[in-house]
This record gives sequence, structure tokens and C-alpha cells, in this order.
Amino acid sequence: DAGVTQSPTHLIKTRGQQVTLRCSPKSGHDTVSWYQQALGQGPQFIFQYYEEEERQRGNFPDRFSGHQFPNYSSELNVNALLLGDSALYLCASSQAGTLVTYEQYFGPGTRLTVT
Amino acid sequence: AQSVTQLDSHVSVSEGTPVLLRCNYSSSYSPSLFWYVQHPNKGLQLLLKYTSAATLVKGINGFEAEFKKSETSFHLTKPSAHMSDAAEYFCVVSDQGTASKLTFGTGTRLQVTL
Repeated sequence: DAGVTQSPTHLIKTRGQQVTLRCSPKSGHDTVSWYQQALGQGPQFIFQYYEEEERQRGNFPDRFSGHQFPNYSSELNVNALLLGDSALYLCASSQAGTLVTYEQYFGPGTRLTVT
Repeated sequence: AQSVTQLDSHVSVSEGTPVLLRCNYSSSYSPSLFWYVQHPNKGLQLLLKYTSAATLVKGINGFEAEFKKSETSFHLTKPSAHMSDAAEYFCVVSDQGTASKLTFGTGTRLQVTL
């Protein structure tokens, strides 16, 4: 049973560029959440997708956008990159509709470096 | 609003001695609480979770945590530390009213020495 997968593993971009990160959820999961983990910090919630719609959003600017596809995989897009966007981006998947369970399974992350 | 406070940024123990990582939470609803572990250059792994069932929760690798509503605490313990336990540990809260958004603490780095 494949877990959550993310691509690419590492990425280096220049300020002002745009980036797309990809995530495939764990088999049987239909909800994808994205988190940003800056160096030495805990992950911070960016947004969550369910049924191809953004269901909830954290305190991130509109430069951060996403998409969920019919097969439940997801993309995170960041426009006009800033140096402060350098971080580990984590994708987590879960299964909606089950009572009380908020267990999320995390992928290994994509390390984004903005120069 | 939900939040967690991890009281120690760094804990050092000797191998074979008990581990205590402290966490206090704040939540407007009945919270779900988790502990995740992150080894260097690896993703987050769920250690254990509390979701309004038994207040003493047992997790993987011998870890356990006790939910204490009166103290708003969810401390992580292990009777005997192993070298492989050295990692970053995150206490996490999710309000039932916020559709499973996870709010992480700032983390506690556990160091295990011989």
C-alpha cells in the first residue's frame, strides 16, 4: 500500500518565479492538506482540498493556490516567489466522512529553496 | 481558536531513562490531540492520537500520552529511551469544528545520550 507521495523532492527557484508541487494521497484517501514548514518551526496549515474544492484555508496570501484532481491528487502553486517561501512543503492525506477521525498521513515533503 | 504550547524546545535524556515531553493545548471545542515525530530529513509520522475515547493513549514504539482536560495538557512519555528515539516531536491539536485543520506546536528536540 503506497503512502503519500510528493514530487519533486528538492527544488531551487529564483525570486519572482512560479513553482508547482505535486502530491498523491494514500490509497483510499480523498482529502489533501498542504503545510509549510520553515526551518526550525512546526508545520503551518496552508489549505485543504476535498471534492476538488478548497475547503479551508490558513493565513497564507493569494500567491498560494492549489488544485485537486478527480483522482484526488493535488497541486500546490506558488506565484511571485519570495525568499521567505523557502521551506519544506508537506502534503497530508486523510479520509473524509468518517466520524471523529482527523488522522492525517504525511508525505516526505518537497524542499523548496528560493534564491 | 486552537493552539498548542510545547513547554520545552530541547530535552536531553540518557538511554534507558524515562522521557517526558510536555504539551499544553487551547481549544474552543472538544479537541483531537496528536503527537507526531519527525526524524532528520524524513516526513512526519503519527505516534498516537486522542479523539475523546480513553484518556490514556498508547502509541507506537512504547510511547503513551495522557489527556488531562482539567490541566489542558497532553504530555508524551516513554518509560525507557532508546537512541533511535532522537528526533523532533510535535504536539498537534485539531478542533472538531475546523474540519480537521491541524495546528502544530513549535516542536521539542529530543536528544538521547549514552
